[in-house]
Amino acid sequence: AQSVSQHNHHVILSEAASLELGCNYSYGGTVNLFWYVQYPGQHLQLLLKYFSGDPLVKGIKGFEAEFIKSKFSFNLRKPSVQWSDTAEYFCAVNAGTGANNLFFGTGTRLTVIP
Amino acid sequence: DTGVSQNPRHKITKRGQNVTFRCDPISEHNRLYWYRQTLGQGPEFLTYFQNEAQLEKSRLLSDRFSAERPKGSFSTLEIQRTEQGDSAMYLCASSPNLREYGYTFGSGTRLTVV
Repeated sequence: AQSVSQHNHHVILSEAASLELGCNYSYGGTVNLFWYVQYPGQHLQLLLKYFSGDPLVKGIKGFEAEFIKSKFSFNLRKPSVQWSDTAEYFCAVNAGTGANNLFFGTGTRLTVIP
Repeated sequence: DTGVSQNPRHKITKRGQNVTFRCDPISEHNRLYWYRQTLGQGPEFLTYFQNEAQLEKSRLLSDRFSAERPKGSFSTLEIQRTEQGDSAMYLCASSPNLREYGYTFGSGTRLTVV
């Protein structure tokens, strides 16, 4: 069965620090990968997605993620975080050409200290 | 607002009562999804519609749960004989093409069963 692992449950950073959130999935076939963000009191929003092509994808607000097929990973990065990046981040995978839904990880809570 | 709309935002009900939630997707999106999210977890898939056809149901969707999407527009999710374990955030999402675009989520309906 497919699964998504986000090993960092809670990350605390100071402003301007660099961020990397881990995401690993278990599925050997074709995947489409997504990162969603949920700011406090708001709904889930799409940060970025990998559909095909360049494995380094850039999203909104300076975020990027790299799909490394050999490592089954899709880590989220940002070179310099801001206080406004405080949120919960979810990695999700659509696994297989016949898959009709996204499978989400348990999320990583990011707290940025001013 | 052309996003995904969910009503009500909050629902408190007594155990054993029936509840119904409504989701209005983005009008151009023919795919509609229901998810459930509990504290500390990522969203869990419940069911998927393409137009008016319910094409997939999770094992999480017990017999007490039923979803409809008449005419392929809005959708309703009904929970009969609610239990305390049904307390969660119920999320609706829509998409024109999951693999390429991912989901657009609504703000959710928070259900509390007392």
